[in-house]
Amino acid sequence: QKEVEQNSGPLSVPEGAIASLNCTYSDRGSQSFFWYRQYSGKSPELIMFIYSNGDKEDGRFTAQLNKASQYVSLLIRDSQPSDSATYLCAVNIGYGGATNKLIFGTGTLLAVQP
Amino acid sequence: KAGVTQTPRYLIKTRGQQVTLSCSPISGHRSVSWYQQTPGQGLQFLFEYFSETQRNKGNFPGRFSGRQFSNSRSEMNVSTLELGDSALYLCASSPELEAGGYEQYFGPGTRLTVT
Repeated sequence: QKEVEQNSGPLSVPEGAIASLNCTYSDRGSQSFFWYRQYSGKSPELIMFIYSNGDKEDGRFTAQLNKASQYVSLLIRDSQPSDSATYLCAVNIGYGGATNKLIFGTGTLLAVQP
Repeated sequence: KAGVTQTPRYLIKTRGQQVTLSCSPISGHRSVSWYQQTPGQGLQFLFEYFSETQRNKGNFPGRFSGRQFSNSRSEMNVSTLELGDSALYLCASSPELEAGGYEQYFGPGTRLTVT
């Protein structure tokens, strides 16, 4: 079983719509969760992080975490063509600050249609 | 603040050679992690250094090694290169935070091609 799972997509949404990206993880002890955006040929860019159950909003982005269901999601409101990229979910399986070790999903390709 | 920098950006090597990649973290960041990204395997954790000590290591052969200097700059070395080592090598740095998690910020990466 993969430690972090994402639907590879592509997820196609029209401009202005809400894009919903999902991720599940297997390690119940995971403490922190991250969403990265990666454009083709570029390195991953951190766009959201969440540590506690519930929602966290930053501009057009909302991260949602449900530790009981081992589920993390990212909502992108008012999607723009410039949001078209691969979105990587990452989980830090280090405990209590003892280490940094991010386990990444394979990424979801998002395509926003003008 | 300046971001994470990596040198060189592109590298072509021959099988059997060795290579050293360099990473300078964001000023004030003491944790540096290295990742390998390939189309087939995705992003995989190589190792993490904190205060010049390797704190964690991924499932890579001993040909992959690294070190961190007192100024937090880090290098990784790959010896006896194989064709399968062709990849984008990414360095990420983290600030010092309370227990619970660390945000990692990636550099632009070094694209290594082994022929």
